[in-house]
Parts: sequence; structure tokens; C-alpha cells
Amino acid sequence: DAGITQSPRHKVTETGTPVTLRCHQTENHRYMYWYRQDPGHGLRLIHYSYGVKDTDKGEVSDGYSVSRSKTEDFLLTLESATSSQTSVYFCAISELLDEKLFFGSGTQLSVL
Amino acid sequence: QQQVKQSPQSLIVQKGGISIINCAYENTAFDYFPWYQQFPGKGPALLIAIRPDVSEKKEGRFTISFNKSAKQFSLHIMDSQPGDSATYFCAASTAAGNKLTFGGGTRVLVKP
Repeated sequence: DAGITQSPRHKVTETGTPVTLRCHQTENHRYMYWYRQDPGHGLRLIHYSYGVKDTDKGEVSDGYSVSRSKTEDFLLTLESATSSQTSVYFCAISELLDEKLFFGSGTQLSVL
Repeated sequence: QQQVKQSPQSLIVQKGGISIINCAYENTAFDYFPWYQQFPGKGPALLIAIRPDVSEKKEGRFTISFNKSAKQFSLHIMDSQPGDSATYFCAASTAAGNKLTFGGGTRVLVKP
């Protein structure tokens, strides 16, 4: 696998609590992405980053924020988790925008 | 609105058979069409990709066929093997950074 580490791998939380997921890369790729995967919906882009402190919204960004203070780290924050945010979250990296994405192993998040 | 529609949702094929997965898109500006393969518990991995300047691309037992006028593309897995059992996602994006849009996925099961 490309050098991508997601943490935690599993998380169970309660509605209304804040949650932060972390993505760490060792490949020095410019682009980093957060996707969520839900049955029947494939993968949907939440946010992506094209450099340190440079981020943009994706298709399903409501309720999520991101930060990238270093090239290697991309954080996804759910300010106040809701049950609809129960999903599997994948981080991905690439050298070129939207091409040859390398995905992490995912974080299974359950919001009760 | 799903811009990339993938079918079927699931597929069972005998070992040695041909698996065929179809995708249709609406945005005529799409010009990059990758396929990703995902095994249970893992993140998706790029399998093969095509651009509209060619109608077919083959890599080993995997072939993408592209029909620009019909706005459709498909993945053929020849001589399917049990190790090919996975979920396959088609996707599309534009050079203008339209952000990669994924189909809903097809779960393929190859029976020995």
C-alpha cells in the first residue's frame, strides 16, 4: 500500500459529539481527499486539499470541516456528529488532481 | 443527482467466465474514466483507466470499452478468477478539475 495511514480505524460516538479523523501520508503527494462510502452511493467526495492550508468542498461537505497544516496530514472534523454521518470514511492521495488516487484502509464511524 | 450510473449492482459469474460492468454518464465534459477495485476491508485501488481518444484499452484480463456517442463505458473481466471477487467502481472526471465522480459500485462474485 502507498504510505497512507488513517486513524482511528474504528470509532463509535454519540450524536452531538465532535469527531476528528486523521490521514497521514509519507508520499509527499500534493492532493489529499476525504471520501465517504455508503451502500449504493459509491464514494462521495467530502473535501479535498491541493496544498497546505488550501482546501475545497466536495459533493457532500455539509457538516464537515477539514484542515491541512502540513503536507503529510489532512484532518476531517465532524463538529457535531449526526446518525446520518455513520459511514466508512476513506482518505486518498494523488500527485495529479483526480488521477491515480491511492486510498487508505478506511475508518468505520458509527454515530449512535 | 448521480452523474455516473453503474450497473448491475451485483454479479455472479463462474470461474473462467466473462464479467461485464456498465457505466453511463451525463456530463459530456468528462474526459478521464478510471475503474477502481476494492476488496473487503480495504480501500479502493486503481485498476485501469481510459481517455476518450481511444475506444478500448486492455491490461491483462481487464478491458475498458468506451462509446463516446452513447456516453457509456464498460469493464470486461476475461477468464474471471475467484481472486477477482471484489467491488468495482467506475468513475469520471474532467481536465478542468470537476472532481472525480464515482458510480454506485458492482459487487462481483466469481464462483470456483
